[in-house]
Amino acid sequence: QEKVQQSPESLIVPEGAMVSLNCSFSDSASQSIWWYQQHPGKGPKALISIFSNGNKKEGRLTVYLNRASLHVSLHIKDSQPSDSAVYLCAVSSTNAYKVIFGKGTHLHVLP
Amino acid sequence: NAGVIQTPRHKVTGKGQEATLWCEPISGHSAVFWYRQTIVQGLEFLTYFRNQAPIDDSGMPKERFSAQMPNQSHSTLKIQSTQPQDSAVYLCASSFPGLGGYEQYFGPGTRLTVL
Repeated sequence: QEKVQQSPESLIVPEGAMVSLNCSFSDSASQSIWWYQQHPGKGPKALISIFSNGNKKEGRLTVYLNRASLHVSLHIKDSQPSDSAVYLCAVSSTNAYKVIFGKGTHLHVLP
Repeated sequence: NAGVIQTPRHKVTGKGQEATLWCEPISGHSAVFWYRQTIVQGLEFLTYFRNQAPIDDSGMPKERFSAQMPNQSHSTLKIQSTQPQDSAVYLCASSFPGLGGYEQYFGPGTRLTVL
């Protein structure tokens, strides 16, 4: 079964810093990779997805995927206190509907 | 659009009692998912419905857990004879499958506490 590992477990940064979150997965045949954001007491919310090798930029978010190294990263530019949340990496299997989630990175952005 | 609705938000049961959790997916979404979230295990897939039909229940503990989707507007997750290890946040998500895969829209979850 697909395994998804995230690092670091937690991260504290000052407001305005660039944040880099990492995710490794085990199945090179995985389909889309998603990043979700979860605030306390809320359900996860999809932020950005990527399928093809390379990078994808949306606003302050950039995601990089390297299928050869089974690694994906999320970068948040100019981080804000409102970005403080848990970030979940989610990898869909060859059955595209089935998504395996990592355990998340807890991000704290200090004002 | 109210998003995915889950009720109740919190439920406390005694050991051995039954718990029924409700989910109303986003109108027009054909896929419905149930997950369980704990600190230790993270977010775990339980079951998946497509157009109300059960497709994959591979994550469900078979003995005491069951899920149904009697119509397109709601799904239920029932846990019989609840045990303390069932304490978790149960999340429902819905999705409209597209070219980019299944972007899932999650409800706020039901926090189940088994005493």
